[in-house]
Amino acid sequence: GENVEQHPSTLSVQEGDSAVIKCTYSDSASNYFPWYKQELGKGPQLIIDIRSNVGEKKDQRIAVTLNKTAKHFSLHITETQPEDSAVYFCAAILVSGGYQKVTFGTGTKLQVIP
Amino acid sequence: SAVISQKPSRDICQRGTSLTIQCQVDSQVTMMFWYRQQPGQSLTLIATANQGSEATYESGFVIDKFPISRPNLTFSTLTVSNMSPEDSSIYLCSVLGLAGNEQFFGPGTRLTVL
Repeated sequence: GENVEQHPSTLSVQEGDSAVIKCTYSDSASNYFPWYKQELGKGPQLIIDIRSNVGEKKDQRIAVTLNKTAKHFSLHITETQPEDSAVYFCAAILVSGGYQKVTFGTGTKLQVIP
Repeated sequence: SAVISQKPSRDICQRGTSLTIQCQVDSQVTMMFWYRQQPGQSLTLIATANQGSEATYESGFVIDKFPISRPNLTFSTLTVSNMSPEDSSIYLCSVLGLAGNEQFFGPGTRLTVL
């Protein structure tokens, strides 16, 4: 089955600096890679995603890159703000017809220091 | 994106009792899921709630312990039966969006078993 590793488990950055979180996956058939932000006491919120036919996607201060050959994808947050502090989860998903198999990473606790 | 609500938001229960968690979605969705998130951990899929048929359980989860109902396309319940302290977790309802890949989560139910 799919195995997703996520690093680092914790990350502290100064406000305004960039943060990078990396995930690797094992199943080359996985073709959809979302990132979730989970604030304390709330459910995970989808913040950005990328499909296997795309190498990079950007949405304002957030970007995701995918290297299919190496089977890794990364979340980049630029100009970090205190409200970016949360736990971030990556996921690798195999989508085939009406079937979807989701494997989550172990999470990264990001702290942005004002 | 779908708007998902869960009841209760949190509960403290005694060992040996059962708790039913409700999930309501503001639109009809084909796929609904139930996840467990233990403190400081990632998300683990319990089961897929199928409308009109029995839920599909992941390895390690059984119907007797986690019975699920899905009477229509907007509502599902998860029961945690004969609870023990090891069942203390956040339980999350999730649905697939209209595009078919994006997965959205409810706010979660924080369960503490004494």
